Amino acid sequence: DIQMTQSPSSVSASVGDRVIITCRASQSITSWLAWYQLKPGRAPKLLIHAAINLQSGVPSRFRGSGSGTDFTLTISSLQPEDFATYFCQQSSSFPWTFGQGTKVEIK
Amino acid sequence: QVQMVESGGGLVKPGGSLRLSCAASGFTFSDYYMSWIRRAPGKGLEWVSYIGSSGRNIYYRDSVKGRFTISRDNAKNSLYLQMNSLRVEDTAVYYCASARTAAGLRYWGQGTLVTVSS
Repeated sequence: DIQMTQSPSSVSASVGDRVIITCRASQSITSWLAWYQLKPGRAPKLLIHAAINLQSGVPSRFRGSGSGTDFTLTISSLQPEDFATYFCQQSSSFPWTFGQGTKVEIK
Repeated sequence: QVQMVESGGGLVKPGGSLRLSCAASGFTFSDYYMSWIRRAPGKGLEWVSYIGSSGRNIYYRDSVKGRFTISRDNAKNSLYLQMNSLRVEDTAVYYCASARTAAGLRYWGQGTLVTVSS
């Protein structure tokens, strides 16, 4: 199975801060990586697909980068609605696997 | 407007069975492959099963193989997960999710809670 190592597990940040979340795959997944946002009681939301592509309707302050084994989700200027938990996920091979998650909290 | 609504969760004893359903609307269901994803209390997301758009290609995570069965009815725009021989460790919120490509799961439901406890 491909292991996805996501860091940090949590981050405290203020509105306007830049937040960077990283995800490392245990083997190359080329660009088969997605990022999701989870909020309590709501359906998970796809933010980035194929590592770098912003999902339609997602604000441009979210940016995905990377390929192979190392990936990054950057939130350029944190907004109040961005406080949530974020997960990366590989779909290069079954079983699909997720990172452990990063909780973005208010500082 | 896209909607995916899960149902069928509840409290069941170890060894028991449940059948989850996911009703989809607002998109061409038969064009999308579908997955079940779960989140145990205090844990991260875990992929459970996948079914291709026609229903021919099916995959499971090892821990549910032989116990869970995924299926779909494209005429009813519905996805199912038959869960047998349930274990305490299957306790989780179960989400259905869909996508046109493998690059990311585009549509998700809000989840249904399955609790396995004696």
